[in-house]
Amino acid sequence: SQTIHQWPATLVQPVGSPLSLECTVEGTSNPNLYWYRQAAGRGLQLLFYSVGIGQISSEVPQNLSASRPQDRQFILSSKKLLLSDSGFYLCAWRFEFRNTIYFGEGSWLTVV
Amino acid sequence: SQKIEQNSEALNIQEGKTATLTCNYTNYSPAYLQWYRQDPGRGPVFLLLIRENEKEKRKERLKVTFDTTLKQSLFHITASQPADSATYLCALVMDSWGKLQFGAGTQVVVTP
Repeated sequence: SQTIHQWPATLVQPVGSPLSLECTVEGTSNPNLYWYRQAAGRGLQLLFYSVGIGQISSEVPQNLSASRPQDRQFILSSKKLLLSDSGFYLCAWRFEFRNTIYFGEGSWLTVV
Repeated sequence: SQKIEQNSEALNIQEGKTATLTCNYTNYSPAYLQWYRQDPGRGPVFLLLIRENEKEKRKERLKVTFDTTLKQSLFHITASQPADSATYLCALVMDSWGKLQFGAGTQVVVTP
């Protein structure tokens, strides 16, 4: 079976510090990968998606970047965090050409 | 992009009753529509998918309808239980890459 791991679960970072959130998927190959953000009381916003190694598409301009160094690894980064980057970050995956997306447990980021 | 509307007010319902949630969208009708459940501090979990050519889909105590004329989906929880208390998200596929656009969700509270 397939599993998705996301870490760290909770993070408190000062403004201006870097960020790295990591996500890995096990039990499948060539998954489509996604990063979503959920602000408090808001809906899920798609940030990045990837259909293959090194292929990243950004949905909204922002202070964040994503990378996919390996087939089942997806990383969300920032060089300098802003207060507005605080939120709940969710990694997700789906089988290529299937419809359902499966989410990780999420990472809570608080920028102080 | 689509505008997806879900009731922002929490739905308080007595155990055993049927909860009905609404998801309305504004633009083109998607090929399929999905419903997810999200518990506090957790990632969303897939529940049901309904295609544009399907009027109704059932899974245990859950039922989803899809009316492309009204641009609306209804989500029913029959014989509700306190364990059904959660936020329920409606999601529409945006393109062939599997990108989903989510509504803000409706919180359901089932009291004994």
